[in-house]
Amino acid sequence: EVQLVESGGGLVKPGGSLRLSCAASGFTFSSYSMNWVRQAPGKGLEWVSSISSSGSYIYYADSLKGRFTISRDNAKNSLYLQMNSLRAEDTAVYYCARETLYSGSFYYFDYWGQGTLVTVSS
Amino acid sequence: QSVLTQPPSASGTPGQRVTISCSGSSSNIGSNTVNWYQQLPGTAPKLLIYTNNQRPSGVPDRFSGSKSGTSASLAISGLQSQDEADYYCAAWDDSLNGWVFGGGTKLTVL
Repeated sequence: EVQLVESGGGLVKPGGSLRLSCAASGFTFSSYSMNWVRQAPGKGLEWVSSISSSGSYIYYADSLKGRFTISRDNAKNSLYLQMNSLRAEDTAVYYCARETLYSGSFYYFDYWGQGTLVTVSS
Repeated sequence: QSVLTQPPSASGTPGQRVTISCSGSSSNIGSNTVNWYQQLPGTAPKLLIYTNNQRPSGVPDRFSGSKSGTSASLAISGLQSQDEADYYCAAWDDSLNGWVFGGGTKLTVL
């Protein structure tokens, strides 16, 4: 059974840092691209970042402006998101999601974790 | 403001058919496939439709997707109370080099 379990969320002051983790199990983690998607309270989904299976290709949402860093450790079946210079508007539930390739060209997020809440407040 | 445009709300009575639209541009829907996600209250999103019109195993055939040009649609037939949820469309955007989501549509079953 595919499982994605996020951790590391919590309350942090503006300007602070936090590192989120996503523990994967039930599939060959090193074969899949992974993503972070966030959802502010009462708002819609916002894609944050993507990392390829080997870690060679990384993409970020423009709105993050270099404050977040995605990484992975395939030996530990884990995905990470280092978040620096946090702002109130970063308050959200952060989900990790597995990205699957279909028919050689098409991608989608087929499994999501339960999310971890990050609250940025003084 | 989301890159993909969805109506904020939709509604229908049990048994009815409801459609939710998703409008984009040539850099996202116009050149890539569309996926739809269902988010039940208080839960994580779940894949509902992938690659425009494919249903994952376990998703009832009451749910269907289509795409034409720079727009896509999700149709739900035989509406049921358990279909009350938020629905999101998503696509890769070649100009932004990232995934873009619609703002979400809250479906109410009256």
